[in-house]
Amino acid sequence: NAGVTQTPKFRVLKTGQSMTLLCAQDMNHEYMYWYRQDPGMGLRLIHYSVGEGTTAKGEVPDGYNVSRLKKQNFLLGLESAAPSQTSVYFCASRLTGVTEAFFGQGTRLTVV
Amino acid sequence: AQSVTQLDSHVSVSEGTPVLLRCNYSSSYSPSLFWYVQHPNKGLQLLLKYTSAATLVKGINGFEAEFKKSETSFHLTKPSAHMSDAAEYFCVVSDRGRNAGNMLTFGGGTRLMVKP
Repeated sequence: NAGVTQTPKFRVLKTGQSMTLLCAQDMNHEYMYWYRQDPGMGLRLIHYSVGEGTTAKGEVPDGYNVSRLKKQNFLLGLESAAPSQTSVYFCASRLTGVTEAFFGQGTRLTVV
Repeated sequence: AQSVTQLDSHVSVSEGTPVLLRCNYSSSYSPSLFWYVQHPNKGLQLLLKYTSAATLVKGINGFEAEFKKSETSFHLTKPSAHMSDAAEYFCVVSDRGRNAGNMLTFGGGTRLMVKP
């Protein structure tokens, strides 16, 4: 049982480049989330989804887009990367709006 | 709206002494509350959860937390610290209810250091 898998685990981008982070879960969870973690700031919610085909903005959505075309996958896109987007990104999923979340191992992104 | 405040950014204890990590929350609905632990360069692991059953919640590795509605608190405790407990701990709130929004909101984290 893989749980929540993030791809890639590490990436270095040049300013202005684009990329997509993939989050895949095999637990048939309805809810999925993308967070970024920066030193001293905890985890901040970027976007989330409460089911296939739905997305919603979180606390820090600017510069990011997401898609949930399949229930098991939640994609996070950076159209034009900026140094301020250097961070560790975590994906999470949970079965309902009440249950605990399961997290991926994170993606360390550096924008130079 | 929901929010979480972890009252200490750093806590240092000696091995074998009690641990107290403080968390206060704000919630417009009845909340679900969670504590997660993150070891260096690792993902997040669930320690324990409160979802409206017993107010004293026991978790893994000897940790427990008590939900106090009147104080809007969910402090994490452990009777005796172990070196392996050194990590960052996050308190998380999720509003429950039809119009709650289903977001998970994190506190800023508390880094626990354990001295030999």
